[in-house]
Amino acid sequence: IAGITQAPTSQILAAGRRMTLRCTQDMRHNAMYWYRQDLGLGLRLIHYSNTAGTTGKGEVPDGYSVSRANTDDFPLTLASAVPSQTSVYFCASSEAGTGELFFGEGSRLTVL
Amino acid sequence: AQSVTQLGSHVSVSEGALVLLRCNYSSSVPPYLFWYVQYPNQGLQLLLKYTSAATLVKGINGFEAEFKKSETSFHLTKPSAHMSDAAEYFCAVKPSGGSYIPTFGRGTSLIVHP
Repeated sequence: IAGITQAPTSQILAAGRRMTLRCTQDMRHNAMYWYRQDLGLGLRLIHYSNTAGTTGKGEVPDGYSVSRANTDDFPLTLASAVPSQTSVYFCASSEAGTGELFFGEGSRLTVL
Repeated sequence: AQSVTQLGSHVSVSEGALVLLRCNYSSSVPPYLFWYVQYPNQGLQLLLKYTSAATLVKGINGFEAEFKKSETSFHLTKPSAHMSDAAEYFCAVKPSGGSYIPTFGRGTSLIVHP
Protein backbone atom coordinates (compact mmCIF):
# COMPACT_ATOMS: atom_id res chain seq x y z
CA ILE A 1 0.00 0.00 0.00
CA ALA A 2 1.65 3.21 -1.15
CA GLY A 3 -0.53 5.75 0.68
CA ILE A 4 0.88 9.19 -0.13
CA THR A 5 3.66 9.53 -2.69
CA GLN A 6 5.64 12.75 -2.97
CA ALA A 7 8.18 13.73 -5.60
CA PRO A 8 10.91 14.79 -5.72
CA THR A 9 12.30 13.72 -2.35
CA SER A 10 14.93 16.43 -2.54
CA GLN A 11 15.66 19.34 -4.86
CA ILE A 12 18.05 22.27 -5.05
CA LEU A 13 16.62 25.17 -6.99
CA ALA A 14 17.87 28.56 -8.14
CA ALA A 15 15.90 31.57 -6.97
CA GLY A 16 13.39 32.74 -9.53
CA ARG A 17 12.80 29.29 -11.00
CA ARG A 18 9.41 27.64 -11.14
CA MET A 19 8.98 24.37 -9.26
CA THR A 20 6.13 21.89 -8.86
CA LEU A 21 6.06 19.40 -6.00
CA ARG A 22 3.95 16.39 -6.84
CA CYS A 23 1.64 14.52 -4.47
CA THR A 24 -0.46 11.45 -5.24
CA GLN A 25 -2.62 9.38 -2.92
CA ASP A 26 -4.21 5.99 -3.50
CA MET A 27 -6.63 5.97 -0.55
CA ARG A 28 -9.44 7.88 -2.29
CA HIS A 29 -9.46 10.44 0.51
CA ASN A 30 -11.56 13.55 -0.06
CA ALA A 31 -9.28 16.04 1.64
CA MET A 32 -5.65 16.85 0.90
CA TYR A 33 -3.21 19.30 2.42
CA TRP A 34 0.21 20.85 1.92
CA TYR A 35 2.33 21.80 4.94
CA ARG A 36 5.79 23.23 5.30
CA GLN A 37 7.98 22.27 8.27
CA ASP A 38 10.61 24.66 9.56
CA LEU A 39 12.76 24.34 12.66
CA GLY A 40 11.05 25.87 15.67
CA LEU A 41 7.85 26.62 13.77
CA GLY A 42 6.34 23.17 13.50
CA LEU A 43 3.94 22.45 10.66
CA ARG A 44 2.27 25.33 8.87
CA LEU A 45 -0.58 24.81 6.44
CA ILE A 46 -0.01 26.25 2.97
CA HIS A 47 -3.10 25.18 1.01
CA TYR A 48 -5.78 22.55 1.31
CA SER A 49 -8.53 20.93 -0.70
CA ASN A 50 -11.69 19.43 0.82
CA THR A 51 -12.68 17.70 -2.41
CA ALA A 52 -11.69 17.52 -6.05
CA GLY A 53 -12.27 20.84 -7.80
CA THR A 54 -11.98 23.00 -4.68
CA THR A 55 -9.00 24.51 -2.90
CA GLY A 56 -8.45 26.88 0.01
CA LYS A 57 -5.70 28.99 1.54
CA GLY A 58 -3.97 28.01 4.72
CA GLU A 59 -1.79 29.94 7.12
CA VAL A 60 1.11 30.68 4.71
CA PRO A 61 -0.23 30.63 1.10
CA ASP A 62 1.77 33.49 -0.42
CA GLY A 63 4.08 32.40 -3.24
CA TYR A 64 2.36 29.03 -3.63
CA SER A 65 -0.51 27.71 -5.73
CA VAL A 66 -2.31 24.38 -5.91
CA SER A 67 -4.81 22.59 -8.10
CA ARG A 68 -7.09 19.59 -7.52
CA ALA A 69 -8.20 18.31 -10.90
CA ASN A 70 -9.00 14.84 -9.52
CA THR A 71 -9.20 12.98 -6.21
CA ASP A 72 -5.72 11.49 -6.28
CA ASP A 73 -3.40 14.36 -7.24
CA PHE A 74 -2.63 17.62 -5.44
CA PRO A 75 0.44 19.40 -6.88
CA LEU A 76 2.02 22.42 -5.19
CA THR A 77 3.63 25.04 -7.43
CA LEU A 78 6.14 27.73 -6.56
CA ALA A 79 5.84 30.20 -9.42
CA SER A 80 9.11 32.02 -8.70
CA ALA A 81 11.07 30.44 -5.86
CA VAL A 82 12.71 32.58 -3.17
CA PRO A 83 15.24 31.51 -0.49
CA SER A 84 12.62 31.81 2.28
CA GLN A 85 10.80 28.91 0.65
CA THR A 86 13.66 26.62 1.61
CA SER A 87 11.87 24.03 3.75
CA VAL A 88 10.60 20.49 4.00
CA TYR A 89 7.20 20.14 2.40
CA PHE A 90 4.68 17.50 3.45
CA CYS A 91 1.58 16.43 1.61
CA ALA A 92 -1.20 14.77 3.60
CA SER A 93 -4.69 13.41 3.06
CA SER A 94 -7.71 12.52 5.18
CA GLU A 95 -11.31 11.44 4.99
CA ALA A 96 -13.18 14.73 5.26
CA GLY A 97 -14.28 15.38 8.83
CA THR A 98 -12.15 12.76 10.60
CA GLY A 99 -9.11 14.95 11.23
CA GLU A 100 -6.77 11.95 10.99
CA LEU A 101 -4.08 12.82 8.49
CA PHE A 102 -1.90 10.47 6.47
CA PHE A 103 1.43 12.01 5.49
CA GLY A 104 3.90 11.53 2.69
CA GLU A 105 7.62 11.22 3.34
CA GLY A 106 8.28 14.85 2.49
CA SER A 107 10.10 16.86 -0.17
CA ARG A 108 13.19 18.77 0.94
CA LEU A 109 13.54 21.94 -1.10
CA THR A 110 16.55 24.26 -1.03
CA VAL A 111 16.33 27.59 -2.86
CA LEU A 112 19.65 29.31 -3.48
CA ALA B 1 -11.11 28.76 16.52
CA GLN B 2 -8.75 26.19 17.93
CA SER B 3 -5.16 26.19 19.10
CA VAL B 4 -2.59 23.81 20.55
CA THR B 5 0.25 24.47 22.96
CA GLN B 6 2.99 21.95 23.52
CA LEU B 7 5.01 22.79 26.61
CA GLY B 8 8.71 22.33 26.03
CA SER B 9 10.33 22.18 22.62
CA HIS B 10 12.72 19.52 23.97
CA VAL B 11 12.24 16.83 26.62
CA SER B 12 15.17 14.71 27.74
CA VAL B 13 14.78 11.41 29.63
CA SER B 14 16.92 8.44 30.51
CA GLU B 15 16.22 5.06 28.98
CA GLY B 16 13.67 3.29 31.20
CA ALA B 17 12.29 6.52 32.67
CA LEU B 18 8.74 7.84 32.38
CA VAL B 19 7.97 9.89 29.29
CA LEU B 20 5.55 12.82 29.67
CA LEU B 21 4.88 15.18 26.78
CA ARG B 22 2.43 17.95 27.49
CA CYS B 23 -0.33 19.25 25.24
CA ASN B 24 -3.01 21.82 26.03
CA TYR B 25 -5.66 22.88 23.56
CA SER B 26 -8.45 25.33 23.04
CA SER B 27 -11.51 24.59 20.97
CA SER B 28 -14.89 26.25 20.62
CA VAL B 29 -16.65 22.87 20.27
CA PRO B 30 -15.83 19.36 21.57
CA PRO B 31 -12.52 18.41 20.03
CA TYR B 32 -10.89 15.49 18.35
CA LEU B 33 -7.30 15.22 19.57
CA PHE B 34 -4.30 13.50 18.03
CA TRP B 35 -0.67 12.70 18.72
CA TYR B 36 1.68 12.11 15.80
CA VAL B 37 5.30 10.95 15.80
CA GLN B 38 7.98 11.90 13.29
CA TYR B 39 11.19 9.90 13.11
CA PRO B 40 14.21 11.55 11.46
CA ASN B 41 13.83 12.16 7.74
CA GLN B 42 10.32 10.68 7.68
CA GLY B 43 6.77 11.92 7.51
CA LEU B 44 4.40 12.05 10.47
CA GLN B 45 2.48 8.97 11.53
CA LEU B 46 -0.45 8.69 13.89
CA LEU B 47 0.32 7.51 17.43
CA LEU B 48 -3.17 7.74 18.88
CA LYS B 49 -6.40 9.73 18.70
CA TYR B 50 -9.30 10.79 20.92
CA THR B 51 -12.70 11.13 19.26
CA SER B 52 -15.11 11.36 22.23
CA ALA B 53 -15.08 7.71 23.29
CA ALA B 54 -12.91 6.55 26.22
CA THR B 55 -10.90 9.39 27.76
CA LEU B 56 -7.80 7.19 28.18
CA VAL B 57 -6.52 6.35 24.75
CA LYS B 58 -3.90 3.71 24.02
CA GLY B 59 -1.69 4.00 20.97
CA ILE B 60 1.17 2.24 19.30
CA ASN B 61 4.56 1.50 20.87
CA GLY B 62 3.22 1.60 24.45
CA PHE B 63 2.13 5.25 24.40
CA GLU B 64 -1.13 6.47 25.87
CA ALA B 65 -2.84 9.80 26.44
CA GLU B 66 -5.66 10.97 28.66
CA PHE B 67 -8.25 13.55 27.64
CA LYS B 68 -9.00 15.87 30.58
CA LYS B 69 -11.73 18.30 29.65
CA SER B 70 -11.48 20.31 32.87
CA GLU B 71 -7.78 20.93 32.23
CA THR B 72 -8.10 21.16 28.41
CA SER B 73 -5.16 18.77 28.24
CA PHE B 74 -4.16 15.69 26.28
CA HIS B 75 -0.76 14.74 27.65
CA LEU B 76 1.17 11.83 26.13
CA THR B 77 2.85 9.28 28.40
CA LYS B 78 4.86 6.10 28.27
CA PRO B 79 5.96 4.24 31.42
CA SER B 80 9.46 3.32 30.21
CA ALA B 81 11.37 5.10 27.46
CA HIS B 82 13.31 3.20 24.83
CA MET B 83 16.11 4.60 22.71
CA SER B 84 13.89 4.01 19.67
CA ASP B 85 11.35 6.51 21.05
CA ALA B 86 13.66 9.41 20.21
CA ALA B 87 11.68 11.46 17.71
CA GLU B 88 9.59 14.62 17.24
CA TYR B 89 6.07 14.46 18.65
CA PHE B 90 3.19 16.64 17.52
CA CYS B 91 -0.16 17.22 19.18
CA ALA B 92 -3.10 18.26 16.98
CA VAL B 93 -6.71 19.35 17.58
CA LYS B 94 -9.73 19.45 15.32
CA PRO B 95 -13.24 20.52 16.34
CA SER B 96 -15.60 17.58 15.99
CA GLY B 97 -17.96 17.70 13.06
CA GLY B 98 -17.75 19.68 9.84
CA SER B 99 -14.72 19.93 7.60
CA TYR B 100 -12.45 21.79 10.02
CA ILE B 101 -8.75 21.45 9.38
CA PRO B 102 -6.55 20.11 12.20
CA THR B 103 -4.28 22.58 13.98
CA PHE B 104 -0.84 21.31 15.01
CA GLY B 105 1.34 22.26 17.92
CA ARG B 106 4.95 23.25 17.31
CA GLY B 107 6.26 19.85 18.31
CA THR B 108 8.37 18.42 21.13
CA SER B 109 11.64 16.69 20.47
CA LEU B 110 12.09 13.66 22.75
CA ILE B 111 15.70 12.86 23.56
CA VAL B 112 16.46 9.52 25.20
CA HIS B 113 19.79 9.05 27.00
CA PRO B 114 21.28 5.57 27.56
